[in-house]
Amino acid sequence: AQTVTQSQPEMSVQEAETVTLSCTYDTSESDYYLFWYKQPPSRQMILVIRQEAYKQQNATENRFSVNFQKAAKSFSLKISDSQLGDAAMYFCAYRNYGGATNKLIFGTGTLLAVQP
Amino acid sequence: NAGVTQTPKFQVLKTGQSMTLQCAQDMNHNSMYWYRQDPGMGLRLIYYSASEGTTDKGEVPNGYNVSRLNKREFSLRLESAAPSQTSVYFCASSGDSGNSPLHFGNGTRLTVT
Repeated sequence: AQTVTQSQPEMSVQEAETVTLSCTYDTSESDYYLFWYKQPPSRQMILVIRQEAYKQQNATENRFSVNFQKAAKSFSLKISDSQLGDAAMYFCAYRNYGGATNKLIFGTGTLLAVQP
Repeated sequence: NAGVTQTPKFQVLKTGQSMTLQCAQDMNHNSMYWYRQDPGMGLRLIYYSASEGTTDKGEVPNGYNVSRLNKREFSLRLESAAPSQTSVYFCASSGDSGNSPLHFGNGTRLTVT
């Protein structure tokens, strides 16, 4: 069974600095999808970024980018120019290749604090 | 622009009571899901439905039942609530492609005393 591990329960970053959240996963599949979700104190789950395993290029969305290392089964999230609004719980998630019937498996989350 | 709507937002039950969490989506998605979120455990899948009329168990289905009433609605029922079911519950829906993200409701905070 696939698993997702986020080894950093909590992280802290100064406003305007850069922070990297780590995520590793375990799978025997060669094709799959990876996601990062953000959960601010409002409890809403918000998609931050996604990556298809067959794409070598790392995904980027504005200040958010990933470092996808397929061989190492690592999928870290880099937040540049951190803002106070980035303070949230961040979840890494994995889904097998195929349709949406394949389950999305979540890590345990990293709580990010942003210091002014 | 509603997306996924979950009700209620908060609920307190006594042990043994029953309740149904309602979920509806207006994005014409086939796939719908129920997750629970507990501190230190991330989100765990309770049940999911790949299409109207079909449901399947997830990682933690014990103590729950679901109904996919139609394409829009997917309800979660607790027949006899237990303190271990104190949690935050999320409904989500997704498009058919594997890279389709889940769209989540705002969650229900349930406390069982």
